[in-house]
Amino acid sequence: EAQVTQNPRYLITVTGKKLTVTCSQNMNHEYMSWYRQDPGLGLRQIYYSMNVEVTDKGDVPEGYKVSRKEKRNFPLILESPSPNQTSLYFCASSLRRVINEKLFFGSGTQLSVL
Amino acid sequence: AQKVTQAQTEISVVEKEDVTLDCVYETRDTTYYLFWYKQPPSGELVFLIRRNSFDEQNEISGRYSWNFQKSTSSFNFTITASQVVDSAVYFCALSARSNYQLIWGAGTKLIIKP
Repeated sequence: EAQVTQNPRYLITVTGKKLTVTCSQNMNHEYMSWYRQDPGLGLRQIYYSMNVEVTDKGDVPEGYKVSRKEKRNFPLILESPSPNQTSLYFCASSLRRVINEKLFFGSGTQLSVL
Repeated sequence: AQKVTQAQTEISVVEKEDVTLDCVYETRDTTYYLFWYKQPPSGELVFLIRRNSFDEQNEISGRYSWNFQKSTSSFNFTITASQVVDSAVYFCALSARSNYQLIWGAGTKLIIKP
């Protein structure tokens, strides 16, 4: 089954404790992206990757890192989480980065930073 | 600058009523795409429809219909004979050639009461 797999689904952590949210897709998609969703703000892009070893900042990259060592994986790293990073995070992928491509989303990760 | 506005934060209707979700967009591009995504209570984001800027034909899919009007920069979504399963947050999004970034509205939470 074609899907984007994101883990964990829920995560509670404390300020400053490094964490990684994993994302994997099995559709051979070139384009992958991370979003955060906050009430009243819709989805905001954190980072994206157009292919292996190619990553770029989105609208809200501060406090986050990503890597794209393999085409299928695109982990999101919070090296020193802070409470303002409490949010719902989504990984998404599409075949290419063109304006008419629809995105496939993971199930989301609800992160709480205490 | 590009922008998507979903002015209705929350809509509540009784089952079987028709409901329209508004989406107004801003872009200076002549080539762009508009999208609607659905986020049911389970949290995942699901693609509903994509429409390009050169195609103003309305789209109907079962109980769902979309009205694209370039003259008013709107891409509204109507659910006919709503059902409880339609309860979700609905997002409108814009993708334009100038920056390839998907711009999201804040979302409209739709509550269908039995």
